[in-house]
Amino acid sequence: AQSVTQLDSQVPVFEEAPVELRCNYSSSVSVYLFWYVQYPNQGLQLLLKYLSGSTLVKGINGFEAEFNKSQTSFHLRKPSVHISDTAEYFCAVRDVYNFNKFYFGSGTKLNVKP
Amino acid sequence: EAEVAQSPRYKITEKSQAVAFWCDPISGHATLYWYRQILGQGPELLVQFQDESVVDDSQLPKDRFSAERLKGVDSTLKIQPAELGDSAMYLCASSQRQGAGNTEAFFGQGTRLTVV
Repeated sequence: AQSVTQLDSQVPVFEEAPVELRCNYSSSVSVYLFWYVQYPNQGLQLLLKYLSGSTLVKGINGFEAEFNKSQTSFHLRKPSVHISDTAEYFCAVRDVYNFNKFYFGSGTKLNVKP
Repeated sequence: EAEVAQSPRYKITEKSQAVAFWCDPISGHATLYWYRQILGQGPELLVQFQDESVVDDSQLPKDRFSAERLKGVDSTLKIQPAELGDSAMYLCASSQRQGAGNTEAFFGQGTRLTVV
């Protein structure tokens, strides 16, 4: 089974500063990679996804992520955060050879301070 | 825009009572997932359906939880009897078959269950 590790449970950052949320997964064989965002008492919303091709993926709300096969990482970045980015972020892996199961990390709470 | 519908949004129940959650996936999505999310943690898969068949229910506490998707469309997740430790957010998600286009899972708004 796949495993997804989000190294930081909480990340505090000041508004307009850059941020990186880290994600590592156990195997890059036949997987798709995703970042989701969750606001309080809401479901998960897709930020971006990596399927193949260019290793730099751009998503909504100015977020981007870079796929690194050798390091089995998929870190999420934003050059300048806003207060409205305060939320919890989940990295996920879809295993296409295991019934398309999704495996989620434990989440990173991004707290943007004014 | 098509959405995954879940009801109810919030549910408070007493321990030992029965509770049920309903999910209607995006039309045409063959795969349906039920996740449990405890506060401060990531979603944990309870059960996954492909059409009307269960693909994975290895993490479903089968002594008290049951799930069905009789016609391969909407689904119901039931807990009987509910325990205090079942308090969590229950999320339903759906996705297309592999190769059918979109590869991501689409989530509903969730049902917040509180057992008292």
